[in-house]
Amino acid sequence: GNSVTQMEGPVTLSEEAFLTINCTYTATGYPSLFWYVQYPGEGLQLLLKATKADDKGSNKGFEATYRKETTSFHLEKGSVQVSDSAVYFCALSSSGGSYIPTFGRGTSLIVHP
Amino acid sequence: KAGVTQTPRYLIKTRGQQVTLSCSPISGHRSVSWYQQTPGQGLQFLFEYFSETQRNKGNFPGRFSGRQFSNSRSEMNVSTLELGDSALYLCASSPGQGLTEAFFGQGTRLTVV
Repeated sequence: GNSVTQMEGPVTLSEEAFLTINCTYTATGYPSLFWYVQYPGEGLQLLLKATKADDKGSNKGFEATYRKETTSFHLEKGSVQVSDSAVYFCALSSSGGSYIPTFGRGTSLIVHP
Repeated sequence: KAGVTQTPRYLIKTRGQQVTLSCSPISGHRSVSWYQQTPGQGLQFLFEYFSETQRNKGNFPGRFSGRQFSNSRSEMNVSTLELGDSALYLCASSPGQGLTEAFFGQGTRLTVV
């Protein structure tokens, strides 16, 4: 079956540091890949997505590239802010037979001033 | 444009009782999906409804059921509650199938005592 593996957190950074959160996946067919962010007490918000190999999703300074050869979709940001502190979820939605989504366990990011 | 609305936000129930959660999707969205989020299992897909029909179902026991009405509003029911059902239940709406363009509500926090 499908699966998503994320690096465990928490990830603790100082403001303006570079961020990488690793995500790898296993899926049938040709999945679409997503990063969602969850702020305390809130639901999930779509951060960015990529629907085919080599696509780069980007939003609010965050980027992730769909790497089919390494089955990865790592999230990066060049300079994090305190307001980026949240839990980040990598997810996939596979077109192979059904669209049942699969989420990673989430990575908590804490950014200190 | 109003977002996804889930009611109630918080709920406390006793083991053995049943509970019904409600989700009002974004206007014009015909797909509603439900998820269970727990610290131990992460975010798990429960089921998806589109135009009043269940299209996909996750790996949960039959105690978990749902339905969708003609106005796209959805309800989720859990019967014979167990302590392990304590979780944040999230609803997501989208115009189509899968995670693409899915918008999440803030969730209902269910505590079973």
